[in-house]
Amino acid sequence: NAGVTQTPKFRVLKTGQSMTLLCAQDMNHEYMYWYRQDPGMGLRLIHYSVGEGTTAKGEVPDGYNVSRLKKQNFLLGLESAAPSQTSVYFCASSWPDSFDGYTFGSGTRLTVV
Amino acid sequence: DAKTTQPPSMDCAEGRAANLPCNHSTISGNEYVYWYRQIHSQGPQYIIHGLKNNETNEMASLIITEDRKSSTLILPHATLRDTAVYYCIVRAGMDSSYKLIFGSGTRLLVRP
Repeated sequence: NAGVTQTPKFRVLKTGQSMTLLCAQDMNHEYMYWYRQDPGMGLRLIHYSVGEGTTAKGEVPDGYNVSRLKKQNFLLGLESAAPSQTSVYFCASSWPDSFDGYTFGSGTRLTVV
Repeated sequence: DAKTTQPPSMDCAEGRAANLPCNHSTISGNEYVYWYRQIHSQGPQYIIHGLKNNETNEMASLIITEDRKSSTLILPHATLRDTAVYYCIVRAGMDSSYKLIFGSGTRLLVRP
């Protein structure tokens, strides 16, 4: 019963490098989300997906791209990392009628130097 | 989407009830109130949600005022493990893909 799994858990990038964060869920959830959390702040929605092959922008989408090629996976890409993208990234998934709430992953701590 | 207002921090003694308030004066009729908590740096955890009736589960109780402009999350017997940031969220409408928009939350400290 893995739930939502994020890889990697930690990463240090140099400015300008690219990377992809992977989110995998085994609950057959339709919706998936990527959030970022900066120190001392609440979570902010980056992008989300309402189904395989669909993506949409959230509150802070600039500098990120996403893909949902398979229902169980939601990828978050940074094409050219910047120090301002240093943050903890959380993935979540839910049913369309999310009365049971979201299930969150344990986070990816990313540092851009 | 309705905004929420929460006190930045609160504390309570272990074993006592913790009452966390939330104002959502612009809530619309089809919007639910959700509560999540985040312990240390873990992913947020769902606690409870409600529309207009009071709700209770094994973790907490949710009291929503009759006009729905505010609510209170109650942890009946707080323990040290309840120390966390608690987020009150009004869920976006039916055409917004169930996005949850987090605010700054209330940092609850449970004292021994």
